[in-house]
Amino acid sequence: QKEVEQNSGPLSVPEGAIASLNCTYSDRVSQSFFWYRQYSGKSPELIMSIYSNGDKEDGRFTAQLNKASQYVSLLIRDSQPSDSATYLCAAFDGQNFVFGPGTRLSVLP
Amino acid sequence: GAVVSQHPSRVICKSGTSVKIECRSLDFQATTMFWYRQFPKQSLMLMATSNEGSKATYEQGVEKDKFLINHASLTLSTLTVTSAHPEDSSFYICSAQTGTGDLETQYFGPGTRLLVL
Repeated sequence: QKEVEQNSGPLSVPEGAIASLNCTYSDRVSQSFFWYRQYSGKSPELIMSIYSNGDKEDGRFTAQLNKASQYVSLLIRDSQPSDSATYLCAAFDGQNFVFGPGTRLSVLP
Repeated sequence: GAVVSQHPSRVICKSGTSVKIECRSLDFQATTMFWYRQFPKQSLMLMATSNEGSKATYEQGVEKDKFLINHASLTLSTLTVTSAHPEDSSFYICSAQTGTGDLETQYFGPGTRLLVL
């Protein structure tokens, strides 16, 4: 069974710090990877997608992909209390999306 | 772009009634739509995958006769919870898939909160 694994957290970081969220996936066929943010009581919102090895930056967010290690990460620079949410990692193998259980991030003021 | 809407956002109903939830992709055509359920403080749980014009594929343990899915067009899928009971109270979220090849992406609707009394 294809799996996407994440540490459930909570991950607590002080305001202004870098939050590092990690994700591993089991299926080497997966080619596309996504990070979604889900605030409590709301639905997930796409924040980043990454398809190639290396880094992809968008504002305060940087996604990192290492296909050899089957590892995806999301860095949030200058973390703000408004970044407190659950972050879901997802992998797409061309047919199916597989979501991780999510990591709860808490940014402390 | 890539906006998905759901209606209603919240519904309260009596036990035994049926509730229909609509999911629409507003600015794109969705090859595939998904229905999820999420209980408080728990992970998203995929219920079913639906493709326009064909029968939905249900995940193991999801009763297809209880959760009726109709995907009538490339922009509309509906989920009907038939004979709802209190244990069906949950947050129901749809998503729509768009793009081609490796660029396919899932976008989520805002969700429908169902409370069955």
